Amino acid sequence: QKEVEQNSGPLSVPEGAIASLNCTYSDRVSQSFFWYRQYSGKSPELIMSIYSNGDKEDGRFTAQLNKASQYVSLLIRDSQPSDSATYLCAVNHRGNTPLVFGKGTRLSVIA
Amino acid sequence: EPEVTQTPSHQVTQMGQEVILRCVPISNHLYFYWYRQILGQKVEFLVSFYNNEISEKSEIFDDQFSVERPDGSNFTLKIRSTKLEDSAMYFCASSGAGNTEAFFGQGTRLTVV
Repeated sequence: QKEVEQNSGPLSVPEGAIASLNCTYSDRVSQSFFWYRQYSGKSPELIMSIYSNGDKEDGRFTAQLNKASQYVSLLIRDSQPSDSATYLCAVNHRGNTPLVFGKGTRLSVIA
Repeated sequence: EPEVTQTPSHQVTQMGQEVILRCVPISNHLYFYWYRQILGQKVEFLVSFYNNEISEKSEIFDDQFSVERPDGSNFTLKIRSTKLEDSAMYFCASSGAGNTEAFFGQGTRLTVV
């Protein structure tokens, strides 16, 4: 059974701070890792993908992957109230295979 | 920017009725998916579709469910006889060849009464 685990939160950070979101996965052969943002009542929106160990930066977002520890994280720098949402970690094990999602971490950025 | 579109945005149906949820994937994408999310729970995979056939399906995708690509643009999910527990948000997603990033439509909220 492939599992993706996330702390459900809520994670509260003040505006301008760094938010750190974590995810672990059980399937060691997983190859592709994604972070989606989901506002309440809306669909998942892809914000980051990462495929190899290390860091990947895109604007205020940095994804970090450690395959040996089966761990993925997302850092959001200079957090804004508009970043308040649920962040979903998703994993697949090869190519265009289905995504396995975690339950998501609810982030609240306090102005 | 290309996007996945779903219709309707909200569907209310009586238990036992058939529903068809519609999706138009991104035009040059080849892989299509249906996921669902019961309120307060995680996004769950239902079925994937490639080259005009089902490539994978989950345990949720039983005989009550079917998918079809009736023409070159639409991708549909049919639930033959809806149950109360089918109430959920249903998301269509698509991804392109050589790129595993999947993009989601805005979802259809299905309410079975």
